[in-house]
Amino acid sequence: DAGITQSPRHKVTETGTPVTLRCHQTENHRYMYWYRQDPGHGLRLIHYSYGVKDTDKGEVSDGYSVSRSKTEDFLLTLESATSSQTSVYFCAISSEGHSTDTQYFGPGTRLTVL
Amino acid sequence: GENVEQHPSTLSVQEGDSAVIKCTYSDSASNYFPWYKQELGKRPQLIIDIRSNVGEKKDQRIAVTLNKTAKHFSLHITETQPEDSAVYFCAASWTGGYNKLIFGAGTRLAVHP
Repeated sequence: DAGITQSPRHKVTETGTPVTLRCHQTENHRYMYWYRQDPGHGLRLIHYSYGVKDTDKGEVSDGYSVSRSKTEDFLLTLESATSSQTSVYFCAISSEGHSTDTQYFGPGTRLTVL
Repeated sequence: GENVEQHPSTLSVQEGDSAVIKCTYSDSASNYFPWYKQELGKRPQLIIDIRSNVGEKKDQRIAVTLNKTAKHFSLHITETQPEDSAVYFCAASWTGGYNKLIFGAGTRLAVHP
């Protein structure tokens, strides 16, 4: 599974608390992505990274921030969680070059905000 | 903005029948179109992909066709089996590089024995 892990796998938190999700990869992929998955919406891109300390916004970035201080780790932070951020969060990776641009997904994190 | 529409949202077939899922995309610069299968509680898994210089691609019982003029692409599954039951997502590459993808909303396929 492309050496991608996510932690935690499940989390329940309360409105207004900060939450950080971690994506870790072991194969030196350049690109990393955070998605959220909600019924009826498929997978929506939150933020992505194209290198260490290089990140940019996706479709649904409001309320989220990211950081990538090392190639292998991409962190997603909800500064003050809201109930609308209850979702399943997937991290994905891909590499440069034709035929290596496929995205592979991590196992997901189920986040519940009460 | 960029958009991918996927139809139908649900599809029910008898085992052995064929299933077809269709997607349309809005960005004429899109050149990469993967399909993912997601079983309940699992991560999306790539099952087949196609690039803009190819009109059709097959892998055993699965095929994908692409019509760049009409900006639509389709997934065809023949001789369906109960283990094909899952949610299927299409995606299209997003302008601006970095291998970004925009996804359709998904199709829930149920194959009945």
